[in-house]
Amino acid sequence: SQTIHQWPATLVQPVGSPLSLECTVEGTSNPNLYWYRQAAGRGLQLLFYSVGIGQISSEVPQNLSASRPQDRQFILSSKKLLLSDSGFYLCAWSRTDRGEQYFGPGTRLTVT
Amino acid sequence: AQSVSQHNHHVILSEAASLELGCNYSYGGTVNLFWYVQYPGQHLQLLLKYFSGDPLVKGIKGFEAEFIKSKFSFNLRKPSVQWSDTAEYFCAVITNDYKLSFGAGTTVTVRA
Repeated sequence: SQTIHQWPATLVQPVGSPLSLECTVEGTSNPNLYWYRQAAGRGLQLLFYSVGIGQISSEVPQNLSASRPQDRQFILSSKKLLLSDSGFYLCAWSRTDRGEQYFGPGTRLTVT
Repeated sequence: AQSVSQHNHHVILSEAASLELGCNYSYGGTVNLFWYVQYPGQHLQLLLKYFSGDPLVKGIKGFEAEFIKSKFSFNLRKPSVQWSDTAEYFCAVITNDYKLSFGAGTTVTVRA
């Protein structure tokens, strides 16, 4: 069976510090991978998606970037965090472009 | 761009009451439709999905949803809720461009 991991589960970082959130998927190959941010009362906002190694599409221009160094690894990064980057970040994977997506447990990021 | 509207922000019910959550989307082409649920302290889980065929789809835990193409709707129903159905419910739509668009979510509180 497939599983998706995210770490860390929670993170508190000062403004201006770098960020690296990691997501890995087990039990499947060549998945589509996604990063979302979830805000209370606003659903989920797609930030990045990837259909293969090194292929990243950005949905929202902002202070974040994503990378996919390996087939089942997806990393969300920032060089300098802003207060507005605080939120709940979710990673997801799917087998196909229009299929159901499976979500990880998420990372709660607080920028102070 | 497509959008997804969930009509209720917060629904409060008693156990054994019937539940119906509304979801409408704005996209004229072919859609794949989903309902996700997030129980307290847990990650997002797929409740049910519709790709094609019978517009009445059944999901886990006694939930069902009906796709009405003419109304651009995909409402979620459960005839008799339990306390354990307390959760946040998200409707989501995917079209031709990989992106899963979420509604803002509906918080359901079931009172024992």
